[in-house]
Amino acid sequence: DIQMTQSPSSLSASVGDRVTITCRASQSITRYLNWYQQKPGKAPKLLIYVASSLQSGVPSRFSGSGSGTHFTLTISSLQPEDFATYYCQQSYSTPQTFGPGTKVDIK
Amino acid sequence: QVQLVQSGAEVKKPGSSVKVSCEASGGTFSSYAISWVRQAPGQGLEWMGGIIPIFGTANYAQKFQGRVTITTDESTSTAYMELNSLRSEDTAVYYCARLKGSYFDNWGQGTLVTVSS
Repeated sequence: DIQMTQSPSSLSASVGDRVTITCRASQSITRYLNWYQQKPGKAPKLLIYVASSLQSGVPSRFSGSGSGTHFTLTISSLQPEDFATYYCQQSYSTPQTFGPGTKVDIK
Repeated sequence: QVQLVQSGAEVKKPGSSVKVSCEASGGTFSSYAISWVRQAPGQGLEWMGGIIPIFGTANYAQKFQGRVTITTDESTSTAYMELNSLRSEDTAVYYCARLKGSYFDNWGQGTLVTVSS
């Protein structure tokens, strides 16, 4: 199975900050990397698919980049509604695996 | 816009089985794969398996092989996940999710399954 890691595991930030979360795969997954946002008690929500494509309805302050084994999710200007946990997920091979998550909370 | 609506919370005894449903509305059910993903309390997301309704063949994560069965009923646009031989470690929220291409674009609201004696 492909192992996914994320860093940091948590971070504290202020409204307006630029935030970057890193995701690494244990082997190349080309660009088959997706990002999800999850708020407490809610289902995950798709933000970015295939490394850098913005899901319809997701604000443009979210962006993704990377390929191979190294990927990043960037929030250009953090908003109050962005405080949540973020997960990366590889869909290159079965079983599809998720990173352990990065919790973004208020500084 | 596809909406996935799951069945309600369950409390089960160790050793028993649970069957969770996921009804799709507002879209084409048969053409897309449905996966099941679970999340133990305070933990991350874990893919359990998936199925493409028009083919009817499911594939499962090795961890759950022999213990989980995923099926669909195209007449009601409903997917099911049955997990057997429940143990306390199976206490989790279980989500269904639609796989569009290579990503999960729609998720059910989640079903909490509690395994307790």
